[in-house]
Amino acid sequence: AQSVTQPDIHITVSEGASLELRCNYSYGATPYLFWYVQSPGQGLQLLLKYFSGDTLVQGIKGFEAEFKRSQSSFNLRKPSVHWSDAAEYFCASMDSNYQLIWGAGTKLIIKP
Amino acid sequence: NAGVTQTPKFQVLKTGQSMTLQCAQDMNHNSMYWYRQDPGMGLRLIYYSASEGTTDKGEVPNGYNVSRLNKREFSLRLESAAPSQTSVYFCASRFDTAYGYTFGSGTRLTVV
Repeated sequence: AQSVTQPDIHITVSEGASLELRCNYSYGATPYLFWYVQSPGQGLQLLLKYFSGDTLVQGIKGFEAEFKRSQSSFNLRKPSVHWSDAAEYFCASMDSNYQLIWGAGTKLIIKP
Repeated sequence: NAGVTQTPKFQVLKTGQSMTLQCAQDMNHNSMYWYRQDPGMGLRLIYYSASEGTTDKGEVPNGYNVSRLNKREFSLRLESAAPSQTSVYFCASRFDTAYGYTFGSGTRLTVV
C-alpha cells in the first residue's frame, strides 16, 4: 500500500534560518505530490504541488520543494523562515484512485 | 469570499446524541471530502463524493453517514455519537484530480 512518511514530528528553527522538512513516499510510478500548511485552529492550505516536469517546484509564501525520484523524497524548503511560518506542515501523495494519502505532519516551531 | 464553509465550528454532544455537520462550497468543485484529524494521526478520510449523486467510503467510515445534497453541499451525520468520535472534522473540495484540495476551517467536536 502507498504511504507517506514525515520522519520529523517537530522541528525547531531560529527565525531567519533556513528550513527543510522531509517527506518520503512509496509509489512505483511517478506520484502526484503535495505540501499543505495548517496554522493553529485553521484548515489546511495548499503550498505547492508536483505532477510532472521540473523537479523543483515553487509555491506560495516563499516555499519550494524538490522531487527526487532516486530518494523517493519530496522535501520542502525555505531559505529564511519568519515567525509567521510556525504551523504544522503536511505532505501528501495521490493514490491510484486519485485520493490523497497523508503524512502525519511536522510541527514547525520558530525560535525568536 | 469563495471557499468551503463548515458549520458549526464547535459542538459538544452527549454520548448517543446525533448531529449533522454541514459543508458547502461555492467554487463549482466536483469532488467533496470529509476528514477527521486526531493528534499524531494526520488526516483520515471518512467519506468522499467524487461527483454529485455519488458517495464512497474512505478509511474510517464506521459510525458516519453522508449526503451529497447537490453539487454545493456535502453533509456528515453522526447517528449515535461516541467518545471515540471526538475529533476535528474537515470538509474539503476540489475541481478535478489535477487540482489541490480547498479545505474548510473545521468543526471541533467533543463527545462526552
